[in-house]
Amino acid sequence: QLQLQESGPGLVKPSETLSLTCIVSGGSISSNSYYWDWIRQPPGKGLEWIGSIYYSGSTYYNPSLKSRVSISEDTSKNQFSLKLSSVTAADTAVYYCARRSSGWETGGVYWFDPWGQGTLVTVSS
Amino acid sequence: DIQMTQSPSSSLSASVGDRVTITCRASQSISDYLNWYQQKPGKAPKLLIYAAFRLQSRVPSRFSGSGSGTDFTLTISSLQPEDFATYYCQQSYSYPYNFGQGTKLEIK
Repeated sequence: QLQLQESGPGLVKPSETLSLTCIVSGGSISSNSYYWDWIRQPPGKGLEWIGSIYYSGSTYYNPSLKSRVSISEDTSKNQFSLKLSSVTAADTAVYYCARRSSGWETGGVYWFDPWGQGTLVTVSS
Repeated sequence: DIQMTQSPSSSLSASVGDRVTITCRASQSISDYLNWYQQKPGKAPKLLIYAAFRLQSRVPSRFSGSGSGTDFTLTISSLQPEDFATYYCQQSYSYPYNFGQGTKLEIK
């Protein structure tokens, strides 16, 4: 059973860089069947897609964050990472990693499943 | 960007046994590139429905999805106590993969 687990500092200072890692177990991130995504949720608010990485290393970012975000992978450790630079209080959120899948019967429809449990990152001095 | 708007916009009160419908409207046609998630407090979202109407494995059959183009619905045929949660729609037609604002289903 595939499992994802986010790890990283729970507190980041304003203007610094937020760094998180998603450790994947029970499956390989090198599979050409899946993308690996980051999604965040500010306290009490809705979900925002941040971006994703494919096994080939191709990345896709939300334009609203593109200038500050970077997603990378380490296939030897079966994990992928998120970096968000120049953070402000508005970046305080629970950050989730998730696998993005599609099926032969659904064409290009992609969905997120499973998700990690999420990790709260607070931006504060 | 494609904007997703859910109705009711914030919350919905219902009783155990009720039939409930939540709607999701896309700002442009997205064919059937629409998924539904359930989120309980302090937990990660859980996939319920993918590709507009396909039920994810191990999700109870009282959940169903329909729609195509710009208008979609999530229906719970007979509410159970464990269904009180927040529900989100999400489009995967084009980047960025936006979510609806969420609809919180509360006990009446």
